[in-house]
Amino acid sequence: KQEVTQIPAALSVPEGENLVLNCSFTDSAIYNLQWFRQDPGKGLTSLLLIQSSQREQTSGRLNASLDKSSGRSTLYIAASQPGDSATYLCAVRTAGNMLTFGGGTRLMVKP
Amino acid sequence: EAGVAQSPRYKIIEKRQSVAFWCNPISGHATLYWYQQILGQGPKLLIQFQNNGVVDDSQLPKDRFSAERLKGVDSTLKIQPAKLEDSAVYLCASSFRLSKGDNYGYTFGSGTRLTVV
Repeated sequence: KQEVTQIPAALSVPEGENLVLNCSFTDSAIYNLQWFRQDPGKGLTSLLLIQSSQREQTSGRLNASLDKSSGRSTLYIAASQPGDSATYLCAVRTAGNMLTFGGGTRLMVKP
Repeated sequence: EAGVAQSPRYKIIEKRQSVAFWCNPISGHATLYWYQQILGQGPKLLIQFQNNGVVDDSQLPKDRFSAERLKGVDSTLKIQPAKLEDSAVYLCASSFRLSKGDNYGYTFGSGTRLTVV
């Protein structure tokens, strides 16, 4: 059974810092990995999708990497801003098109 | 492109009452999912449809939860009777199709926040 873990569970940083969020998964047989953002009381917004054959994806200040063999992904946020405050979730897609989520990292960026 | 639509946005009910949620996926998306997200946790899959057929409902508490996707488009999720522990956000998502080589991502709706008192 696939299990996804995210570390840290919560993070508070001052504005302007670069930060890294970690995601690990137990079964490397994945089709893709997706990072989502969730604002309080809202649904999930897809940030980056990395195919199993890819190593990284970039969008603006966000960069996500994938090391499938070791079961790890990182989300790098450059020059963090208060507007980045949210919960970040990673999810892996496995056989049967099932999406398994981690517990999320709650990020607070202080002005 | 219109997103995944869900209603209602919020619902408060007493325990032992029944409740229903509605989801309209993105046009052309054959696969539809219902997820339950308890406060402070990641979403957990309840049921997955491919067109109007159930692909996976192994984590659906079938004694009280039911879901259907008539005509392979809209879907409803029902809870009857509700328990306090059902308080959560219920998220609907859709994706283009279900196949081994498919690497499309998911699109989520805004969710329905259920509070059982």
